[in-house]
Amino acid sequence: GQSLEQPSEVTAVEGAIVQINCTYQTSGFYGLSWYQQHDGGAPTFLSYNALDGLEETGRFSSFLSRSDSYGYLLLQELQMKDSASYFCAVRDKAAGNKLTFGGGTRVLVKP
Amino acid sequence: DAGVTQSPTHLIKTRGQHVTLRCSPISGHKSVSWYQQVLGQGPQFIFQYYEKEERGRGNFPDRFSARQFPNYSSELNVNALLLGDSALYLCASSVNRDQPQHFGDGTRLSIL
Repeated sequence: GQSLEQPSEVTAVEGAIVQINCTYQTSGFYGLSWYQQHDGGAPTFLSYNALDGLEETGRFSSFLSRSDSYGYLLLQELQMKDSASYFCAVRDKAAGNKLTFGGGTRVLVKP
Repeated sequence: DAGVTQSPTHLIKTRGQHVTLRCSPISGHKSVSWYQQVLGQGPQFIFQYYEKEERGRGNFPDRFSARQFPNYSSELNVNALLLGDSALYLCASSVNRDQPQHFGDGTRLSIL
């Protein structure tokens, strides 16, 4: 089966940098995605890593190490609007390319 | 461009009833997936359809079924509703099975 672990909660102040780690176990790894979800809203796609290395999209960056079954999402220059839950999700080719999600990391940004 | 649209946005049912949830993918997207999200947890995969065929199924009972239509829209059906089926049901679409999935706002289903 598949499983993902990420911290349940992170608190930081505006302007700070936050790193959300994700470790995974899967039999048919195809890529690691990150989604942001505000309370009451839908998950919004942030980034996707299929190969090792760093992907940068504005203030957000995502990293993948397939040999370590590990990835992280880096949030820079934190803003109040970044307060949300962040989910890592692995794409499992063995099961119709479904996404298996972690439990989510709740990020609270304080003034 | 319109994103993934789902209807209805909210629904209240009683135990034993059935429900049909609808999803229209982003234009040009041929793959549709359904997920169930219970409060405080990550979404759980239910089904994936691509080119009108089922391509994946999660660990859900046979009370859950789905289909995809020629225009790539999709329906999720749940029979004999249980209290535990109360959740946010999310639909996600992608161009094909290799591209990132984009989610709709979901249908919040409450079972009384």
